[in-house]
Amino acid sequence: DAGVIQSPRHEVTEMGQEVTLRCKPISGHNSLFWYRQTMMRGLELLIYFNNNVPIDDSGMPEDRFSAKMPNASFSTLKIQPSEPRDSAVYFCASSPREGYTFGSGTRLTVV
Amino acid sequence: LAKITQPISMDSYEGQEVNITCSHNNIATNDYITWYQQFPSQGPRFIIQGYKTKVTNEVASLFIPADRKSSTLSLPRVSLSDTAVYYCLVDPSTGANNLFFGTGTRLTVIP
Repeated sequence: DAGVIQSPRHEVTEMGQEVTLRCKPISGHNSLFWYRQTMMRGLELLIYFNNNVPIDDSGMPEDRFSAKMPNASFSTLKIQPSEPRDSAVYFCASSPREGYTFGSGTRLTVV
Repeated sequence: LAKITQPISMDSYEGQEVNITCSHNNIATNDYITWYQQFPSQGPRFIIQGYKTKVTNEVASLFIPADRKSSTLSLPRVSLSDTAVYYCLVDPSTGANNLFFGTGTRLTVIP
């Protein structure tokens, strides 16, 4: 079991550029979550999917953020255009029910 | 959502037992109590989950009183590698199963 796989591990981009973060959940897990973590705001839930369907995206900060889950083994979080305040660590997690498994995160720096 | 209160930080010496208490006064009937551990530069890791009384696994014990308005995570004989942030969460067992993380408790184990 390779766990939840996120890519890239690190991303540095210039303000205004499009950024795409990727996540491969654990096979068989039917829920997938995107979190953002900063020193100031801690861990924030952005959006989650059940069976590939977005259930709650109320945590998505603004229209610049979008997430998709085209199939059970892949999800993306896109920021377009990116801004310096988007700099954070973005985590993906998946779950069957008990015990969510988090990926190692993508550290995004927008300069 | 249940309001979660836990200490911001704790220090302990190696080899001691550490108890971290979390209060969740308005916990709902269907809610479970879940604890996660997060090391620097890693995603949170599930430690233990319980509904009432006591739960024990190879990592920790979780004590939940009858009124379920608080819970205590007990780490036996901590080592330096237990230095981490510990999050207490109230996790709905049905319906929307999104997790909201609080500020957590930063445990520092001292040699």
